[in-house]
Amino acid sequence: DAGVIQSPRHEVTEMGQEVTLRCKPISGHNSLFWYRQTMMRGLELLIYFNNNVPIDDSGMPEDRFSAKMPNASFSTLKIQPSEPRDSAVYFCASSLGIYQETQYFGPGTRLLVL
Amino acid sequence: AQSVTQPDIHITVSEGASLELRCNYSYGATPYLFWYVQSPGQGLQLLLKYFSGDTLVQGIKGFEAEFKRSQSSFNLRKPSVHWSDAAEYFCAVVGYNNNDMRFGAGTRLTVKP
Repeated sequence: DAGVIQSPRHEVTEMGQEVTLRCKPISGHNSLFWYRQTMMRGLELLIYFNNNVPIDDSGMPEDRFSAKMPNASFSTLKIQPSEPRDSAVYFCASSLGIYQETQYFGPGTRLLVL
Repeated sequence: AQSVTQPDIHITVSEGASLELRCNYSYGATPYLFWYVQSPGQGLQLLLKYFSGDTLVQGIKGFEAEFKRSQSSFNLRKPSVHWSDAAEYFCAVVGYNNNDMRFGAGTRLTVKP
């Protein structure tokens, strides 16, 4: 299996621009998670889906952030408008189910907002 | 809600020496515990996990961890460290009946030749 695929791997954009991060989970996995990693705050869970339905988005920092999962093999995390403080590494992870299942992480997208 | 503390931000060991990385959790019931490793520029890879049963858990790459309920700990160990083990290590906890995985701040491991 190819593992969790994320694109782009690196993104540099200017403040105010829209940013879209993409994730393809492992085939057959029912749950998908978006995390953000920064030096200051470490790894934070932003949102997770089960069977394409958002279950918990309490970690989404503000309304500028939105996530969708239109089908079992694709998810997006969008930031509009982006701000310099959004600069971070964003990870997508997938698992067979929720509740204590092992999560498999993608390589991450390193985002820099100037 | 559950939480994890990794007391050591950075540890340096010599190649061939033994290693122990500390992890303490806070949760009212039996937690589900994980250790992940992150190499520079990479995503996280699962080393091992504890759900129930034997409190000594074996993982990949020669790592093991021991769950000690009385100490609320889940320390990661390796008897002989290799230079390729240099990375950042994260302990994580998930509570029963929820999927809010909480990660510790991480411990960065440096291996001296």
